[in-house]
Amino acid sequence: EPEVTQTPSHQVTQMGQEVILRCVPISNHLYFYWYRQILGQKVEFLVSFYNNEISEKSEIFDDQFSVERPDGSNFTLKIRSTKLEDSAMYFCASRPIQGARDYGYTFGSGTRLTVV
Amino acid sequence: QQQVKQSPQSLIVQKGGISIINCAYENTAFDYFPWYQQFPGKGPALLIAIRPDVSEKKEGRFTISFNKSAKQFSLHIMDSQPGDSATYFCAASSGGGYQKVTFGTGTKLQVIP
Repeated sequence: EPEVTQTPSHQVTQMGQEVILRCVPISNHLYFYWYRQILGQKVEFLVSFYNNEISEKSEIFDDQFSVERPDGSNFTLKIRSTKLEDSAMYFCASRPIQGARDYGYTFGSGTRLTVV
Repeated sequence: QQQVKQSPQSLIVQKGGISIINCAYENTAFDYFPWYQQFPGKGPALLIAIRPDVSEKKEGRFTISFNKSAKQFSLHIMDSQPGDSATYFCAASSGGGYQKVTFGTGTKLQVIP
């Protein structure tokens, strides 16, 4: 079964450092998302991306965050200057084209970001 | 208004029993209601989803019941098995499910032998 692949699985970084979380969505999917889950809490939407631009973002997704699809396969989330409260599990997700029978997201296994 | 309220927070069910998780929403623009199953260290996985034009959807041992007028929906797991032990999230989305998904707070289900 096709998978969304995320790397690294765990990233430890010092406060104030930049991090890039990487995702390889499913190849024929066109809608891409980042969500995060602070330990033991609910999954929160960060940003959606379609047709090489951000289609929606949450209030969490401030100027410190950016997303990019640098080539045909990768989808990245950059946090410019990490804060302690950015520590969370970050999930990438993708969806197929509109009208496809399966409307569900496919999530990756996540990157656990620890800011120290 | 964007919230999805989920209960209970945790649930212990004996093997073979029925697990029931309830959710409620306020935003009438929601038109897609998925349930996700999450095992520790893994991402949420789509379990089953429903649109508001039907009141019930069944896939194997999993059934969603949907009450549009009450703005409530629930997940029933029949014949619960230890392998069903996981965290379950209800969720809601609008725009046919292509807009952001708003997740409930999660229910940690433990099925004991």
